[in-house]
Amino acid sequence: DIVMTQSPDSLAVSLGERATINCKSSQSILHSSNNKDYLAWYQQKPGQPPNLLIYWASTRQSGVPDRFSGSGSGTDFTLTISSLQAEDVAVYYCLQYYSTPYTFGQGTNLEIK
Amino acid sequence: EVQLVESGGVVVQPGGSLRLSCAASGFTFDDYAMHWVRQAPGKGLEWVSLISWDGGNTYYADSVKGRFTISRDNNKNSLYLQMNSLRAEDTAFYYCAKDGVVGPSGWVDYWGQGTLVTVSS
Repeated sequence: DIVMTQSPDSLAVSLGERATINCKSSQSILHSSNNKDYLAWYQQKPGQPPNLLIYWASTRQSGVPDRFSGSGSGTDFTLTISSLQAEDVAVYYCLQYYSTPYTFGQGTNLEIK
Repeated sequence: EVQLVESGGVVVQPGGSLRLSCAASGFTFDDYAMHWVRQAPGKGLEWVSLISWDGGNTYYADSVKGRFTISRDNNKNSLYLQMNSLRAEDTAFYYCAKDGVVGPSGWVDYWGQGTLVTVSS
């Protein structure tokens, strides 16, 4: 199984500042047939189901603010929030869908400093 | 608007069985693979199972393989999860989730609100 490891587990960032969350896979999730990385990012606020932010490692889901961006390839990926807003307080998860069983990272708790 | 509504979550004794259902609307159900994902209270997300658009292929997490069975009825726009030999560690919110691409499975793009399964004596 592919293990997804996020860092840090918890992060406190000031409003308006940049937040960066990392996700590392135990093996490459770049598919050679289409040159796409099978990695998605989700945001989960308390009491709510997760919300899709990014897929194919860097494609923003429709309706997601452009302050959210994804980058990376192979085994190392990053979710960046360019200017943190109060409504961005949440837990963030990465997901690999390269192979079953699909696997999530353990989550990163993002707070306001 | 995509809607996924789970039902069937209850308190069940260890070793018991339960069937979860998910009613889907707002999209062409039989175009998409579907997933179940669970989350123990206060914990992270765990992918549970996937079924292809036609029900012909199913996949499971190692933690539930041999105990859980995913199925779908495309005539009823419904997804199911049969859960047998339940254990305390199966206690979680169970989310029904839609795949993000037509045909072969990809990422999860929409989630239901979840149904709580509690395994306790």
